[in-house]
Amino acid sequence: DTAVSQTPKYLVTQMGNDKSIKCEQNLGHDTMYWYKQDSKKFLKIMFSYNNKELIINETVPNRFSPKSPDKAHLNLHINSLELGDSAVYFCASSQVAAPTDTQYFGPGTRLTVL
Amino acid sequence: TQLLEQSPQFLSIQEGENLTVYCNSSSVFSSLQWYRQEPGEGPVLLVTVVTGGEVKKLKRLTFQFGDARKDSSLHITAAQPGDTGLYLCAGAMGRGADGLTFGKGTHLIIQP
Repeated sequence: DTAVSQTPKYLVTQMGNDKSIKCEQNLGHDTMYWYKQDSKKFLKIMFSYNNKELIINETVPNRFSPKSPDKAHLNLHINSLELGDSAVYFCASSQVAAPTDTQYFGPGTRLTVL
Repeated sequence: TQLLEQSPQFLSIQEGENLTVYCNSSSVFSSLQWYRQEPGEGPVLLVTVVTGGEVKKLKRLTFQFGDARKDSSLHITAAQPGDTGLYLCAGAMGRGADGLTFGKGTHLIIQP
């Protein structure tokens, strides 16, 4: 009964490739997020979606394209991967888009670009 | 410019000692959340503080939100090896859908 799940857990790929990371939440939440955690463990918001609509895009290159087919899913597609994209990507969700809401994080996807 | 300054970045102490982690900002936050992250897993919420001056206790952990809602602290009493981990403070501003602004984290090691 995993709350927020991501696949794959690990992703190793060559520069220039295109890859996708999938995220699903079974909590019935309205809002989903993507965060990037760098090698120093710093977490930074990338995108947020509320009811399948994009709310914020925090200066992320347009090689990154999130897609929300329904409220329970927020997938991340990355085109033309670069070395600097190597990081751990976390999906999260919250019940509503309130600043006091708990965000539930997935287990992360470790992306390594060679 | 780092919006949330978290310190110390690394802390290694003996079992039984007390410690405090600080999270400071020049910005006002609607809420301040503390997370703990284990290796290979996502952050897990410990507590959310909302009101200026608020103090919340979770067993040996005490969380405080500054009166001006710009800073917060996490105090652990009588630390145990099981407290070892990465502690992250995160602030929410305005709309929750803007996502959380994280501090750089505190890597805590409690030696037996």
